[in-house]
Amino acid sequence: GQQLNQSPQSMFIQEGEDVSMNCTSSSIFNTWLWYKQDPGEGPVLLIALYKAGELTSNGRLTAQFGITRKDSFLNISASIPSDVGIYFCAGLTGTASKLTFGTGTRLQVTL
Amino acid sequence: NAGVTQTPKFQVLKTGQSMTLQCAQDMNHNSMYWYRQDPGMGLRLIYYSASEGTTDKGEVPNGYNVSRLNKREFSLRLESAAPSQTSVYFCASSDRGPYNEQFFGPGTRLTVL
Repeated sequence: GQQLNQSPQSMFIQEGEDVSMNCTSSSIFNTWLWYKQDPGEGPVLLIALYKAGELTSNGRLTAQFGITRKDSFLNISASIPSDVGIYFCAGLTGTASKLTFGTGTRLQVTL
Repeated sequence: NAGVTQTPKFQVLKTGQSMTLQCAQDMNHNSMYWYRQDPGMGLRLIYYSASEGTTDKGEVPNGYNVSRLNKREFSLRLESAAPSQTSVYFCASSDRGPYNEQFFGPGTRLTVL
C-alpha cells in the first residue's frame, strides 16, 4: 500500500527555534491533514487543508497545501517543550473514506 | 463527551489465542476505522466501516475480522493471534462529508508472544 514520505524522520531542536517538515507523494490528494501524536496517545488533528495552494494557521502552526497537490508543509514557530511528539501528514483522494498516512516526523525539543 | 474510547488499553496474548478489541464513539459519526501502528511505519488501515451495516477491507486486513455492532461501536477480532500482530491498534471515527476529519482513540497496545 502507498504511504506518504515525510522528512525529516526526526528532529532535535532547541526551545524557541522554528521547525519545518514536509510530506511528499507520487499521487495527487484532494485533502491534506496534519496530526500530532503524544507518547502513549492517539493522533490528534492539528490542521486540515482542502485546496491546492491553501495556507492555514492554527496558533504557532502553519501548514500549506502544495500547488501540485502532491505535497504539504508544516511549520511550527517558536517551539516549546510541549511540541514534543510525532507529527503525521495524511492525504485523502477522491470520495474514498480512507486516509493515507505518512511515516511521521519525531520532534524533540531541548531547553 | 468522551470522543472515541477503546478497551482494553494493554493486552498480552499467546500465539493462537483469540481476542476482540472494542471501540465506541459518542460523536454520532457515520464512519469508523481500525488502524495498526508499527515503529517507523505510520498508521496502516486494517478495516473500515463507511456507515452502519457496512465494512470494507483496508490495506492490511489479513488475520482480522470486524463487526459494526451499531452506529456507536466497531470491534476488531483476532481469531488466532500471531507475533506479527504485535502492534498498537487505533480506532478512529469521522462524520460523513467531504473532509473526512478523523478522530482517534487512545490505542490498545497488544503483544503476542
